[in-house]
Amino acid sequence: KAGVTQTPRYLIKTRGQQVTLSCSPISGHRSVSWYQQTPGQGLQFLFEYFSETQRNKGNFPGRFSGRQFSNSRSEMNVSTLELGDSALYLCASRPGPGGETQYFGPGTRLLVL
Amino acid sequence: QQQVKQSPQSLIVQKGGISIINCAYENTAFDYFPWYQQFPGKGPALLIAIRPDVSEKKEGRFTISFNKSAKQFSLHIMDSQPGDSATYFCAASYSGNQFYFGTGTSLTVIP
Repeated sequence: KAGVTQTPRYLIKTRGQQVTLSCSPISGHRSVSWYQQTPGQGLQFLFEYFSETQRNKGNFPGRFSGRQFSNSRSEMNVSTLELGDSALYLCASRPGPGGETQYFGPGTRLLVL
Repeated sequence: QQQVKQSPQSLIVQKGGISIINCAYENTAFDYFPWYQQFPGKGPALLIAIRPDVSEKKEGRFTISFNKSAKQFSLHIMDSQPGDSATYFCAASYSGNQFYFGTGTSLTVIP
């Protein structure tokens, strides 16, 4: 089975712009979670989607949003980018809520200038 | 508020030595405690996990020790190898809900 794929792998944006990141889960996995990874902060949970519905949401401002499509692919959007949004954004999939093992993609490295 | 606290931030161990990483949690509802290993340029990958009904779990050179009363759990890497050099994250979740991660430990194993 192909693993979790994320596109693009690298992205450079300027403050005030918006960005959309994409995640394709492992085939058959219907739950997708997003995390922000920064040095010293570890992985911070953004949100989880299951069957096109947001199931959980972390403590991030409303500039961070996401959605999931009927084929379980997910996108996250960050509007009005700030310098502090520079991070590695990771997507993880699992068969469904309650599945213990999350499988992570390689991440999208976002740099905001 | 950090739900899972991890230490140390970085660790340097000689080849063949024992690497120990510690984590502490507050929420007694947590019922699943995984450890992830992350190499540069890669996403984290599940290494080993434990549930609170056991005090220890061993898989090869990797062992999780779990102390429910102290709300602490640790990862022990026996006979550490240069290939073990990576960043390690502990995590916790309950009832299959969201995962809370520690801040990570950068392990360097020197030959």
